[in-house]
Amino acid sequence: GAGVSQSPSNKVTEKGKDVELRCDPISGHTALYWYRQSLGQGLEFLIYFQGNSAPDKSGLPSDRFSAERTGGSVSTLTIQRTQQEDSAVYLCASKRGGIADTQYFGPGTRLTVL
Amino acid sequence: SQQGEEDPQALSIQEGENATMNCSYKTSINNLQWYRQNSGRGLVHLILIRSNEREKHSGRLRVTLDTSKKSSSLLITASRAADTASYFCATDGVGIGGSRLTFGEGTQLTVNP
Repeated sequence: GAGVSQSPSNKVTEKGKDVELRCDPISGHTALYWYRQSLGQGLEFLIYFQGNSAPDKSGLPSDRFSAERTGGSVSTLTIQRTQQEDSAVYLCASKRGGIADTQYFGPGTRLTVL
Repeated sequence: SQQGEEDPQALSIQEGENATMNCSYKTSINNLQWYRQNSGRGLVHLILIRSNEREKHSGRLRVTLDTSKKSSSLLITASRAADTASYFCATDGVGIGGSRLTFGEGTQLTVNP
């Protein structure tokens, strides 16, 4: 596809369960980002990938959050033992890699933890 | 915490009027971008202005950047009901690895038909 895609679009889970969120970046984009948008915190950076490496994980809120990227393409964000405060829209973005390049966002995954 | 601050938080205008939104930030930047978001989902990129640029146009959009004041404005001319959305500025800070974006709080624009 032409844009960034994310799946699932919506996810409802019970507290304590693990969830996996997927991001397919634009083909050829070397940089990939995860952000989170919640009512109380606005849009927050979570983690950044350059290729398959994650040089900046500073935004991950706890060790329950992890992410990986394989083949320089698809990325998965995993939240273990979900809590209600994890409820948010999780947004993925990708860009070609240059400093002045635009980050293009996917449609997001709305996570609801009951 | 959010670096950027936007004002107003909410703006309601009539179709055909112009809408101006402002954004302030705190650190030195490589560039500043404006995004639109409908219904709390994906962000649509509108325009990117580099730190050495002062003004940029794209269709009905005009963005200005004043690095001495650490501020930017987004002007939407001849607004339409379809422009109703939330608008965010995002900065790419100098020295911040990977060019991750820091977002403002956003302005909710409502254009009444």
